[in-house]
Amino acid sequence: GAVVSQHPSWVICKSGTSVKIECRSLDFQATTMFWYRQFPKQSLMLMATSNEGSKATYEQGVEKDKFLINHASLTLSTLTVTSAHPEDSSFYICSGRDTNTGELFFGEGSRLTVL
Amino acid sequence: DQQVKQNSPSLSVQEGRISILNCDYTNSMFDYFLWYKKYPAEGPTFLISISSIKDKNEDGRFTVFLNKSAKHLSLHIVPSQPGDSAVYFCAASLTGNQFYFGTGTSLTVIP
Repeated sequence: GAVVSQHPSWVICKSGTSVKIECRSLDFQATTMFWYRQFPKQSLMLMATSNEGSKATYEQGVEKDKFLINHASLTLSTLTVTSAHPEDSSFYICSGRDTNTGELFFGEGSRLTVL
Repeated sequence: DQQVKQNSPSLSVQEGRISILNCDYTNSMFDYFLWYKKYPAEGPTFLISISSIKDKNEDGRFTVFLNKSAKHLSLHIVPSQPGDSAVYFCAASLTGNQFYFGTGTSLTVIP
C-alpha cells in the first residue's frame, strides 16, 4: 500500500527552540495533507489542512505563527513548531490524500518532547 | 455521545491463533476508518486503514473488514504473536478531517 513517511519519529528539544517535522508521501502525490495532534487518551485533533502551493488552513484555536506549515511540493509537507514549550509536547501525525484515488494515508507519527 | 465504540476492553488470545478486535460506529456518513496500535508509554502507531468504498483491506497478518450495513469494523490478526500485545484503537472520520476514536481494546497474546 501507499506509504507516508514522517521524520523524525521522536525528537527531544529544549524549550525555546524550533523543531521541524517532515511528512513525505513516498509513492503517490498528495495535493492535500493534514496535520493532527494527539493528546493522551483523546482523539486525534486536526490542526491544519495543507494544500500544495498555497497557505495552510488552520483549525480554530491553532496558532498559525507557532505551528508553521509548508507544503512546497506534491510529496512533502513540513510542520515547524516554533519556540517550543513543554505544553507542545505531544504526538503529531500527518496524513496525505492521494491526488488520483482520493484515499487517505497516515504517517506513523512524530513524538515531540520539549524539556 | 460516543460515535465509535469498542465494547471489549480486553482480549486474550493464544499465540498462533486469530485475534479479532471489533468496533461499532453510529454515523453512516463516516467514510474512512483506521486502526492504531499503542504500546505502554509510547505514541500510537498507525496499523491499517480502509475507506468506505471497500469492505476489506489486507496488510500482511492484519486484515480490516468493514460491514457498512451493520456499521461494524473488525481487525483480524493472523497468526497472533506475543509482540502484538498492545492496546488497539479504531477510529472513523468524515473526509479525513476530524477523527473519532474508540476507547481501545487491550490485546494480550499468550505465548
